[in-house]
Amino acid sequence: DGGITQSPKYLFRKEGQNVTLSCEQNLNHDAMYWYRQDPGQGLRLIYYSQIVNDFQKGDIAEGYSVSREKKESFPLTVTSAQKNPTAFYLCASSTMWTASSYEQYFGPGTRLTVT
Amino acid sequence: AQTVTQSQPEMSVQEAETVTLSCTYDTSESDYYLFWYKQPPSRQMILVIRQEAYKQQNATENRFSVNFQKAAKSFSLKISDSQLGDAAMYFCAYEDTGRRALTFGSGTRLQVQP
Repeated sequence: DGGITQSPKYLFRKEGQNVTLSCEQNLNHDAMYWYRQDPGQGLRLIYYSQIVNDFQKGDIAEGYSVSREKKESFPLTVTSAQKNPTAFYLCASSTMWTASSYEQYFGPGTRLTVT
Repeated sequence: AQTVTQSQPEMSVQEAETVTLSCTYDTSESDYYLFWYKQPPSRQMILVIRQEAYKQQNATENRFSVNFQKAAKSFSLKISDSQLGDAAMYFCAYEDTGRRALTFGSGTRLQVQP
């Protein structure tokens, strides 16, 4: 089955530690995205990548880093510089070139708790 | 920057009745996409319906339809014959053609009463 996988579902870290969230897709999509969701709020864009080896900052990129070495993978690192990292993180992907059927497909998310 | 506003934090509807969720957005672009996503308690984001801004005809998907008013920058979602499984958070989202990333509203929690 085609889809997006995120692991792990729940992640716990101590303050001051970097942590990497995994996102893999087998949909052959060109573009991938990371969003953050806080309680009572919508999703906010952290980083996005439209092609391998290239990525762009979103609206709340500070304290985060990404890489896009493979088309199917777009890991997100939450660094110790992120002041409030506890949140629900969602990865998404989409095709760039089929406007008529365009949508973003979302993974199941990772709940990160930093104490 | 684009903004998306959902002014109804919570809505409630009786099973089999109709409910309308509101959404307004702000943009200077003429070509864009609008979406409604559903997020049940599992937190999986599920696409409900999509509207291309260049299309005047309102999108419809089974019991879900939109009222797209481009000049007013309004994009409401109508759910007909509401079912218990419709209970969820609903997010309105705008996609800019440059980044092709989504800007979300703050969501509306829909309760369906049996």
